[in-house]
Amino acid sequence: GQNIDQPTEMTATEGAIVQINCTYQTSGFNGLFWYQQHAGEAPTFLSYNVLDGLEEKGRFSSFLSRSKGYSYLLLKELQMKDSASYLCAVSYPRGSNYQLIWGAGTKLIIKP
Amino acid sequence: NAGVTQTPKFRVLKTGQSMTLLCAQDMNHEYMYWYRQDPGMGLRLIHYSVGEGTTAKGEVPDGYNVSRLKKQNFLLGLESAAPSQTSVYFCASSYSTSGTDTQYFGPGTRLTVL
Repeated sequence: GQNIDQPTEMTATEGAIVQINCTYQTSGFNGLFWYQQHAGEAPTFLSYNVLDGLEEKGRFSSFLSRSKGYSYLLLKELQMKDSASYLCAVSYPRGSNYQLIWGAGTKLIIKP
Repeated sequence: NAGVTQTPKFRVLKTGQSMTLLCAQDMNHEYMYWYRQDPGMGLRLIHYSVGEGTTAKGEVPDGYNVSRLKKQNFLLGLESAAPSQTSVYFCASSYSTSGTDTQYFGPGTRLTVL
């Protein structure tokens, strides 16, 4: 089956930059999503990548390398409210449809 | 525009009891999903629906049943709850399942089975 790997936990300082990595199996790849999930809340969409390169959206950017099966989420000018789990999900074919396979998430702790 | 809503938010069951979780969306999405989220694991797909009147099994369907009688509603049933079904359940919806569409999530239901 497809495995989505990301670090379990990371710690960073307010105002700094942090990079959260995600690796996946390349066979059947149809796109990669990043979601943010605050404790006790629902996941919310951050970004989508299907082509190689960097997608920038304010303080958040997401990068994809299809050939390497690798993505990262870059968070700049960290704020305390960025403390959350960040979920990487990859779209793969499932019959005539597609299914998202989810990583276990990276818990990001921001310290003052 | 409420998005995706779920009821109830919390529930405690005894082993062998049954219950139904309700999900509703007002975005006119065709596709709806039920996931469970357990510590240290990614979201796992239980069942999904590609339209009114249709349902399909996901990765972990055993012990659950679903129905989609109306486009806006997706029900998840547990006929005989087991402690292994203690989890947080999320419903989600998307415009399509092309693999490129964003899934929108409800607030979740925390279920404990004693």
